[in-house]
Amino acid sequence: GQQLNQSPQSMFIQEGEDVSMNCTSSSIFNTWLWYKQDPGEGPVLLIALYKAGELTSNGRLTAQFGITRKDSFLNISASIPSDVGIYFCAGLPAGGTSYGKLTFGQGTILTVHP
Amino acid sequence: ETGVTQSPTHLIKTRGQQVTLRCSSQSGHNTVSWYQQALGQGPQFIFQYYREEENGRGNFPPRFSGLQFPNYSSELNVNALELDDSALYLCASSSSGSSYNEQFFGPGTRLTVL
Repeated sequence: GQQLNQSPQSMFIQEGEDVSMNCTSSSIFNTWLWYKQDPGEGPVLLIALYKAGELTSNGRLTAQFGITRKDSFLNISASIPSDVGIYFCAGLPAGGTSYGKLTFGQGTILTVHP
Repeated sequence: ETGVTQSPTHLIKTRGQQVTLRCSSQSGHNTVSWYQQALGQGPQFIFQYYREEENGRGNFPPRFSGLQFPNYSSELNVNALELDDSALYLCASSSSGSSYNEQFFGPGTRLTVL
């Protein structure tokens, strides 16, 4: 089945630093989504991307849909302690049979030290 | 606007038993997807319901079944529970409009199979 490789697996940073994480696939995706999950909670949608090359911001978060349609990137600027959590990329593979079937990466665990 | 709700929050069952999990979609959303999230992993797509019919299925056996009701709420049923079914079960809702790929998650049901 589809596989998404998300990296890094974990990050330990100081408050105020910028963060970058990415997600790659061996096949083409039509949609990329980025979610954040706190312990004991469901994932919360941060950013949705629909076009190759698209760059979208949500506050201090910026995500890009790679031009090859096989990757996506998420950047967090000036991190704060509440950014702590697990960040997941998710994508919708190209192809008519994949309607609604999001494929998720393994997650990036972010720890922010005050 | 009411978000996605799930019940129960936690559940403990024994191997071989059957379980029913419930989900109410976000207001205005007519599509419900179910995911299984094992500890330390990203969510795995189980199936999606639209207009009360299954609209796509992941790699899960037939003992995982579901229903969608006229008010768009949904149930996930799992028969003959196995130890490996222990996981967080997430429900996500979306609309059938232009942003149909943007799935919004509930808090999940934590299922433990002993």
